[in-house]
Amino acid sequence: AQTVTQSQPEMSVQEAETVTLSCTYDTSESDYYLFWYKQPPSRQMILVIRQEAYKQQNATENRFSVNFQKAAKSFSLKISDSQLGDAAMYFCAFLRGGTSYGKLTFGQGTILTVHP
Amino acid sequence: GAGVSQSPRYKVTKRGQDVALRCDPISGHVSLYWYRQALGQGPEFLTYFNYEAQQDKSGLPNDRFSAERPEGSISTLTIQRTEQRDSAMYRCASSPPGFRGNQETQYFGPGTRLLVL
Repeated sequence: AQTVTQSQPEMSVQEAETVTLSCTYDTSESDYYLFWYKQPPSRQMILVIRQEAYKQQNATENRFSVNFQKAAKSFSLKISDSQLGDAAMYFCAFLRGGTSYGKLTFGQGTILTVHP
Repeated sequence: GAGVSQSPRYKVTKRGQDVALRCDPISGHVSLYWYRQALGQGPEFLTYFNYEAQQDKSGLPNDRFSAERPEGSISTLTIQRTEQRDSAMYRCASSPPGFRGNQETQYFGPGTRLLVL
């Protein structure tokens, strides 16, 4: 079974600064996908970024980028130029690849506060 | 285009009653997933469908929970004889068909918040 661990229950950042959220996972699979989802106070689940394990290049989406360290099983999210709208709970998630895809396994979440 | 929709958005029921939660996936999405999320925690997998076939129901907590997707589109999650511990946010997600790298991404609906009194 796969496990996903987010060791930072809460993080804070000043507006316009950079913050990094940590995520580690445990799996014996070689084919998998990793995701970061954002859950604002409205409790929507919004996809932020995804990473395929077979790609060595780190994914980026505008101000959001990841540091994917496959050997260390680490998948951190960096938010640059933080904005007030980035305040939310962030979840890291794992998905096994291949024909068995389906079940997302989520971490416990990190609450991000952005100070003006 | 329209995203995943769920209804009702809020449901208050009395212990022992049955409830049915509906999910309407994004048009054209063949895979549909149900998750349950307690307050302050990450979502937990319940079950998923490819078209009308239920592929994995290993996350359903007990036999009071069931799900169906008879025509491969709208899905219903039914909880019979509700208990207070069933109170949670129930989320539906869908993913598109197609090539590797596309079908793995799940898009979530707004959720149904269930409160069992």
